[in-house]
Amino acid sequence: DSGVTQTPKHLITATGQRVTLRCSPRSGDLSVYWYQQSLDQGLQFLIHYYNGEERAKGNILERFSAQQFPDLHSELNLSSLELGDSALYFCASSVVSGGSGNTIYFGEGSWLTVV
Amino acid sequence: AQTVTQSQPEMSVQEAETVTLSCTYDTSESDYYLFWYKQPPSRQMILVIRQEAYKQQNATENRFSVNFQKAAKSFSLKISDSQLGDAAMYFCAYRSARSRGAQKLVFGQGTRLTINP
Repeated sequence: DSGVTQTPKHLITATGQRVTLRCSPRSGDLSVYWYQQSLDQGLQFLIHYYNGEERAKGNILERFSAQQFPDLHSELNLSSLELGDSALYFCASSVVSGGSGNTIYFGEGSWLTVV
Repeated sequence: AQTVTQSQPEMSVQEAETVTLSCTYDTSESDYYLFWYKQPPSRQMILVIRQEAYKQQNATENRFSVNFQKAAKSFSLKISDSQLGDAAMYFCAYRSARSRGAQKLVFGQGTRLTINP
């Protein structure tokens, strides 16, 4: 158990709908990362938050947004869903966002299926 | 931008034998971190081993060790005494050590490891 908690574990929804994925980082971790893993794209970095502040954006679509709340949990919002958004969405966390090279720990992921 | 390449999409090894997974990366930075993650059928991402670029000594974690060649930008993973539970997808990953900017992990495409009993 990495200590990173993601909900829901599985989600099936229809095209055009909106979903929210939730992540609780490990206790004490200030950084939260979101990754998408699909069959054809591999592991893609979406976005990084540190202590409530957005630090970096990767290949995140405009239909997707995220935020990190004062209690450090994070949500990834996916809207106007398309079939191609079906993927495993990982949340990960680390202690700080600095040059200390501390390890990034992953949650178990949220499986999203768009039908 | 940094890139990570794993040239072996699939590997297989007999149980109890040794296997080496290859990884190369491209970066202009001198300070960074390298990782191997394991993803079993459960799809969870599990850290196997990490290496700091400033350390010349290769990291070791029980049956797992790395061969880090900084000049060649190579970071291979050696699994000794392979066990059935080692069967998984293995990802090599790079992370910048810069204090600002992207702290994300850059992943390779993965190597699927099969253990033959």
